[in-house]
Amino acid sequence: DIQMTQSPSSLSAYVGDRVNITCRASQSVFTYLNWYQQKPGRAPQVLIFRVSTLHSGVSSRFSGSGSGTDFTLTISNLQPEDCAIYFCQQTYSELLYTFGQGTKLEIK
Amino acid sequence: QVQLQESGPRLVKPSETLSLTCTVSGDSMGRYFWSWIRQSPGKGLEWIGHFSYVGTTRFSPSLKSRGTMVLDPSKSQFSLTLTSVTSADTAVYFCARGGQQSYGGWFDRWGPGTPVTVSS
Repeated sequence: DIQMTQSPSSLSAYVGDRVNITCRASQSVFTYLNWYQQKPGRAPQVLIFRVSTLHSGVSSRFSGSGSGTDFTLTISNLQPEDCAIYFCQQTYSELLYTFGQGTKLEIK
Repeated sequence: QVQLQESGPRLVKPSETLSLTCTVSGDSMGRYFWSWIRQSPGKGLEWIGHFSYVGTTRFSPSLKSRGTMVLDPSKSQFSLTLTSVTSADTAVYFCARGGQQSYGGWFDRWGPGTPVTVSS
């Protein structure tokens, strides 16, 4: 199985800040890396797919980078509505898709 | 706009069978892979498996021996069955639309999720 490890597990930042969430794969997933945002009581929603492509309707304050085993989700100009849990996911291995454990973002 | 909706019992007894259905509306089920995903506090998001309209099926190795997925295109529905459930199967279950290949896709449409508790 390809293990996905996110860091940090949680973070707290102010409105207007820029934050980075990292995701590391236990082996290369090339560019088959997606990011999701989940708010309480809701299903996850895709933010970014294939490392850096923004899903339709997603704010340009979100961006993604990386390749191989190391990836980063960056949120610029943090807004109160960004309070959520963020997950990375690899779909390189068709035998088993795996998610990171999640990063809980709190807005101070 | 594609919409997905899970349905099924919210309480299942240990050792019994969990059965859920996902109803798809707003688009054809062709071309895509359709997945089941679950989320429990202890294990985060766990992909259960997927299948395609043309019959390609993949199950998570940890659940393969207990799981079945069936497509009913006439009703635009697909189902998940898990046998011999235990408390470890307690989770919120989601259905989702994936990509057009068995790898490299992303889940762009999700159902709202349905909570399932395994308890006597």
